[in-house]
Amino acid sequence: GENVEQHPSTLSVQEGDSAVIKCTYSDSASNYFPWYKQELGKRPQLIIDIRSNVGEKKDQRIAVTLNKTAKHFSLHITETQPEDSAVYFCAAHVGKAAGNKLTFGGGTRVLVKP
Amino acid sequence: IAGITQAPTSQILAAGRRMTLRCTQDMRHNAMYWYRQDLGLGLRLIHYSNTAGTTGKGEVPDGYSVSRANTDDFPLTLASAVPSQTSVYFCASSDVFRDKYNEQFFGPGTRLTVL
Repeated sequence: GENVEQHPSTLSVQEGDSAVIKCTYSDSASNYFPWYKQELGKRPQLIIDIRSNVGEKKDQRIAVTLNKTAKHFSLHITETQPEDSAVYFCAAHVGKAAGNKLTFGGGTRVLVKP
Repeated sequence: IAGITQAPTSQILAAGRRMTLRCTQDMRHNAMYWYRQDLGLGLRLIHYSNTAGTTGKGEVPDGYSVSRANTDDFPLTLASAVPSQTSVYFCASSDVFRDKYNEQFFGPGTRLTVL
């Protein structure tokens, strides 16, 4: 089945700096790659996603890039703010033949220092 | 109801007891999922259902069962709880059309402690 590796497990950045989280996946049939943000004690919430026919997607201060050949995708947060402090999860989706499931990475705890 | 709800919010349970966690969504999503999240770790899929009447096993199904009698409800049952099942349980739903996958919405979670 699909395996998703996420790095780093923790990331500390100064407010205003950029943060980058990287994920790799194993199943070349994966076709959808969402990123979730989970604040302390809250539920995970989608912040951005990318489909396999797109190489890059931006939404204000966040962007995601996808390299299908290398089977890796990354989350970029620019001009970080204290409210960006949270745990971030990447995920990969395989299609109907594999059960229409998401496989999550282990998470990255991001701390933005004021 | 708006979105996806779970009950109870939290529960302390004696080992060996039976427990059912409830999940209901009103978005008419065809797919539903149960995850567990242990302290400091990621989300692990327990069971899933792509449509009413069907279920499948995820990464960590042992000790858990599910049913999907209708579109809206997806209860998770622990037949005989053990301390290792202490965790936060999240239910989620999504609208999967053919192979076009869409956002997975999560419920607020149930914090379960098994003593």
